[in-house]
Amino acid sequence: LAKTTQPISMDSYEGQEVNITCSHNNIATNDYITWYQQFPSQGPRFIIQGYKTKVTNEVASLFIPADRKSSTLSLPRVSLSDTAVYYCLVGDFFYNQGGKLIFGQGTELSVKP
Amino acid sequence: SQTIHQWPATLVQPVGSPLSLECTVEGTSNPNLYWYRQAAGRGLQLLFYSVGIGQISSEVPQNLSASRPQDRQFILSSKKLLLSDSGFYLCAYSSGRAGTGELFFGEGSRLTVL
Repeated sequence: LAKTTQPISMDSYEGQEVNITCSHNNIATNDYITWYQQFPSQGPRFIIQGYKTKVTNEVASLFIPADRKSSTLSLPRVSLSDTAVYYCLVGDFFYNQGGKLIFGQGTELSVKP
Repeated sequence: SQTIHQWPATLVQPVGSPLSLECTVEGTSNPNLYWYRQAAGRGLQLLFYSVGIGQISSEVPQNLSASRPQDRQFILSSKKLLLSDSGFYLCAYSSGRAGTGELFFGEGSRLTVL
């Protein structure tokens, strides 16, 4: 089971690019990397998922090096509404529908004006 | 479309009272189901997960239990609540091999044990 490690907190200013890195040294061959965003009193919301290299969607990019032992969520030009907790989650979503999915401690991102 | 519902949204219970939280999923078959708990200011703790009817894997202390009586129904229970059971409970599901791998969460149930 791949354990994840992230910074506990990060600060940024509006308009800046924010990069949050997650370590997952014992990631398995079938594991995918998924990132979630959580606001207070809400369930986490899916942001992006990838297996290797780079994935981009309308809200974020995900960079995964060749060894897949880490991943970086990149949020371009953050706004105050991006203030939230961000979780990296690693799991075998396709062959095992995820199975046992354990979230790490998450990164609390604070965006200031 | 796929949806997930859990209830009640909020409840206040005395120590030693029973608990029942219910979660149902619509629009998908044979999902993996999960119960998580989030204490104030803390991360998500996995309590139980289920890969099929009657199949429950437990990650938590003995005073909580889970059941899956139907394919898309997941119930979290306790016979006697503790103060430490207070928190925000989240039900979630993942939808299978053809899915995106996304984990979908319910609206959450906030439990206060007094």
